[in-house]
Amino acid sequence: KQEVTQIPAALSVPEGENLVLNCSFTDSAIYNLQWFRQDPGKGLTSLLLIQSSQREQTSGRLNASLDKSSGRSTLYIAASQPGDSATYLCAVENFNKFYFGSGTKLNVKP
Amino acid sequence: NAGVMQNPRHLVRRRGQEARLRCSPMKGHSHVYWYRQLPEEGLKFMVYLQKENIIDESGMPKERFSAEFPKEGPSILRIQQVVRGDSAAYFCASSPTGTSGFPYEQYFGPGTRLTVT
Repeated sequence: KQEVTQIPAALSVPEGENLVLNCSFTDSAIYNLQWFRQDPGKGLTSLLLIQSSQREQTSGRLNASLDKSSGRSTLYIAASQPGDSATYLCAVENFNKFYFGSGTKLNVKP
Repeated sequence: NAGVMQNPRHLVRRRGQEARLRCSPMKGHSHVYWYRQLPEEGLKFMVYLQKENIIDESGMPKERFSAEFPKEGPSILRIQQVVRGDSAAYFCASSPTGTSGFPYEQYFGPGTRLTVT
């Protein structure tokens, strides 16, 4: 059974710092990996999708990488801003099912 | 193209009542997923449906919970005889079919927050 782990569970950084969020998964036979952002009391917003054949995707200040063989993905956030404060979730797709990590709760201090 | 729509956004039920949660997927999306999120916890898969078919319900409790995605109309998650432990946020997501034939990127609705009193 696929298990997804996200480290750290929580992170507090001053504004302007570059930071890395980690996601690991146990079964490398994935089709896609998707990063989401969730604000308190809200739904999930898709940030980046990496297909299994790709190694990275970029959107603005966000860069996500995927290493299928080692079962890892990282989300890099450049020049963090207070508006980036949220919980970040990664999800992997195996055979029609999506498995989510528990998330990293990010707080960017002004 | 409107996003995934869920209603109601907030639902209060007394113990023993029924709760019906609705999800309208994005236009053209044939894959629908339901998830439950307890406070301060991650998302837990409940059920995966395509039109008129339940594909995978391995995450759904065997009793009191049921889901459907009829040919016409929204997907419905139904909880009978609700208990306090059912209080949670219930999210629906939809996906188009990718070139591989499998579901592709997920798009989430805003969720329904169920409170059982």
